[in-house]
Amino acid sequence: AQSVTQLDSQVPVFEEAPVELRCNYSSSVSVYLFWYVQYPNQGLQLLLKYLSGSTLVKGINGFEAEFNKSQTSFHLRKPSVHISDTAEYFCAVSDPDGGSQGNLIFGKGTKLSVKP
Amino acid sequence: EPEVTQTPSHQVTQMGQEVILRCVPISNHLYFYWYRQILGQKVEFLVSFYNNEISEKSEIFDDQFSVERPDGSNFTLKIRSTKLEDSAMYFCASRAPGTGEGGEQYFGPGTRLTVT
Repeated sequence: AQSVTQLDSQVPVFEEAPVELRCNYSSSVSVYLFWYVQYPNQGLQLLLKYLSGSTLVKGINGFEAEFNKSQTSFHLRKPSVHISDTAEYFCAVSDPDGGSQGNLIFGKGTKLSVKP
Repeated sequence: EPEVTQTPSHQVTQMGQEVILRCVPISNHLYFYWYRQILGQKVEFLVSFYNNEISEKSEIFDDQFSVERPDGSNFTLKIRSTKLEDSAMYFCASRAPGTGEGGEQYFGPGTRLTVT
């Protein structure tokens, strides 16, 4: 069964600094990969996803992620963060060959805290 | 912009009581999901629902749980006899037809269930 590891539970960073949130998944022949963001008192919102093709994926709010099959990673990056990026970020996978309806397997989440 | 809504936002119940958590998915969506997140833990898949039947369920989704789409708009999760360990945030999600297993799931804001 698939699993997702987000090693950093909390990441504090200063405004305008770059950030990388790490995500590793368990090995599989093929995966779909997602990053979701959750702002306080709101639902999960899709930031970006990788299904196939180019390994560098660009999402909303200036975020991007790179799929690295050999390292089974899908790290999320932003070159310059804003106060408004303070939120919890979840990495998730689904198995396109598993016969499911796209059920998502989530990591534990990383709380990004952007300080002025 | 269409969104998934969930009611109530917070439900407090006594152990052994039945609870029904309600969700209104986006109107043209056909795939529905429930996930939960116990405080400090991962978001976990519970069940997926399509064409008026359960598509897949996790080990968590035992006989105490049931889902229903009683009309054309609501999607409910019932817990028959709540336990302390059912305390969690419960998220509903929906996905549009024709988007495949990599399609975006739209999440509601969640219902926080507290079992005392």
